[in-house]
Amino acid sequence: QQPVQSPQAVILREGEDAVINCSSSKALYSVHWYRQKHGEAPVFLMILLKGGEQKGHDKISASFNEKKQQSSLYLTASQLSYSGTYFCGTPSGSARQLTFGSGTQLTVLP
Amino acid sequence: GAGVSQSPRYKVAKRGQDVALRCDPISGHVSLFWYQQALGQGPEFLTYFQNEAQLDKSGLPSDRFFAERPEGSVSTLKIQRTQQEDSAVYLCASSLGGDWTYNEQFFGPGTRLTVL
Repeated sequence: QQPVQSPQAVILREGEDAVINCSSSKALYSVHWYRQKHGEAPVFLMILLKGGEQKGHDKISASFNEKKQQSSLYLTASQLSYSGTYFCGTPSGSARQLTFGSGTQLTVLP
Repeated sequence: GAGVSQSPRYKVAKRGQDVALRCDPISGHVSLFWYQQALGQGPEFLTYFQNEAQLDKSGLPSDRFFAERPEGSVSTLKIQRTQQEDSAVYLCASSLGGDWTYNEQFFGPGTRLTVL
């Protein structure tokens, strides 16, 4: 089942903060975050694991609430380069599948 | 080092034609994935290989879709008798280990398939 992302789109000015949320209807043991710029490949940002372990980007932080089956990505002091579509992905099926949400389009204006 | 490469980058096919999309993963990566991405949507899982073994093909939309990775490196996604609904970007991704749920996936630039 596809995770649900919110908001669908956000526009902010350089230097402002943003939060992107990802929620699932089923138990999660990891959440993956990727960013995709228009016409380009998705790029890895972070993996959050059950138990609090994180792997990924130094300048982006995230949280993972296992009980609420939610994850949030925190973008602080946004830069123009942060613009793009952010996807969360969760393992599903036989756990060999990564199911992505429909994305949050982030636009950072000068 | 080289990342994941895909060819061709763009493919236009007439309805009913067969197409073959190639993926060259990062050398030494055990796991390889194919995704289909429709405009404005997230990547949708198609199939997963661990080395040469296709461990999950549950996302392939029909029996017209076939994927292989015979020597555990390069992979080919073949679509037979293409239909207009097959138009999408096909992404390939690879991951270093077999325990991919804890490792990042490196995506290729994708092949944009347009079926007329």
